[in-house]
Amino acid sequence: SYVLTQPPSVSVAPGQTARITCGGNDIGNYNVHWYQQKAGQAPVVVVYDDSDRPSGIPERFSGSNSGNTATLTISRVAAGDEADYYCQVWDSSNDQGVFGSGTRVTVL
Amino acid sequence: QVTLRESGPALVKPSQTLTLTCTFSGFSISGVEMCVSWIRQPPGAALEWLALVDWDDDKYYATSLKTRLTISKDTSKNQVVLTMTNVDPLDTATYYCARSSVMGPRIYFDSWGPGTLVTVSS
Repeated sequence: SYVLTQPPSVSVAPGQTARITCGGNDIGNYNVHWYQQKAGQAPVVVVYDDSDRPSGIPERFSGSNSGNTATLTISRVAAGDEADYYCQVWDSSNDQGVFGSGTRVTVL
Repeated sequence: QVTLRESGPALVKPSQTLTLTCTFSGFSISGVEMCVSWIRQPPGAALEWLALVDWDDDKYYATSLKTRLTISKDTSKNQVVLTMTNVDPLDTATYYCARSSVMGPRIYFDSWGPGTLVTVSS
């Protein structure tokens, strides 16, 4: 089965940039989606199809995907961005949804 | 406005069958490329996709749980039901239902229910 690997944690100072990676074999050939999950809440999609943002998501959230790594970038990080972030793909080779292991973003 | 809400027992005994219902509004699952998935999250752990049913009644399951899961839809009631047989304490998790409005390799979950915590314990 397809595996997505994320770093367990990322720490960033307010106003700086956080970059969260999602590694997978040839992930550049997949559509990658990113979710933000705050404590006690359901996940919310913040980036879909590698780099598109749903309405209502700030431009500070952006995504890229190439080769074996997809990246979610959060610019001008604020305290309200503290959350767990998950990447996700749909593995069409065996019709499975796949989530990454999740990354906890801590704002220092 | 799209909303989803999960319902089911909060406590289930080991070896029993768990039945969860997702009741939704704001869309019809008979709409082209609409589908609903179940996703779970054990306490302190990552999200795990479980199953999906689409507008055409095609069904897909997580390989590791395929033999224990059944997903079905009731279009007239705007509901999707997941059954899981022979539950184990390792099945203790918050269970979410979520909608996708695209199919194929672009599937992602654009709306989620609040989740329901299911504990498996004797």
